[in-house]
Amino acid sequence: GAGVSQSPRYKVAKRGQDVALRCDPISGHVSLFWYQQALGQGPEFLTYFQNEAQLDKSGLPSDRFFAERPEGSVSTLKIQRTQQEDSAVYLCASSLARGESGNTIYFGEGSWLTVV
Amino acid sequence: QKEVEQNSGPLSVPEGAIASLNCTYSDRVSQSFFWYRQYSGKSPELIMSIYSNGDKEDGRFTAQLNKASQYVSLLIRDSQPSDSATYLCAVNANAGNMLTFGGGTRLMVKP
Repeated sequence: GAGVSQSPRYKVAKRGQDVALRCDPISGHVSLFWYQQALGQGPEFLTYFQNEAQLDKSGLPSDRFFAERPEGSVSTLKIQRTQQEDSAVYLCASSLARGESGNTIYFGEGSWLTVV
Repeated sequence: QKEVEQNSGPLSVPEGAIASLNCTYSDRVSQSFFWYRQYSGKSPELIMSIYSNGDKEDGRFTAQLNKASQYVSLLIRDSQPSDSATYLCAVNANAGNMLTFGGGTRLMVKP
């Protein structure tokens, strides 16, 4: 597809359950980002990949959060032992990372996670 | 202090008026500045980018940047009810690096 694709769009998890969120970036985009957006807040940075290398994971809130992009395209954000405070929209975004418009970041529709 | 600050609003303007949205940032090395629009329940959508001091116009939208004052704004002329949304200001330092977002300003345009 032409845009950033995320799945699942909606996920309800029981507290303590593990979840995996998938992101398929725009073809050819080098940079991939994960953001967390709580209700009524702006997106908060979680982690950043350039190709398969995870260059920044400073925003991951705890060691229960793990992200990977093993082949430099699709990425997975995994949350272990989910807690209620993990309920949020998880936004994936990608950018070319080069050229005049290289730092324009495009977002997917998000994965809405509710932990009950 | 957050790195990118916005008034959360809501900012209410009548249809046809000019809406003025403001944003300040703390990191002086920031080089690229963006305005995203986010409708309720949807993902952020890029509407304007600006890289140098001054004004940049695109249709009814004008972005203004003042790096000395660390201030960026978005003007929406002839506001329409369909402009009602949350407007997110975002900055970054280098191409390929992550964006830092403000908390967003909720705009309401009343018919």
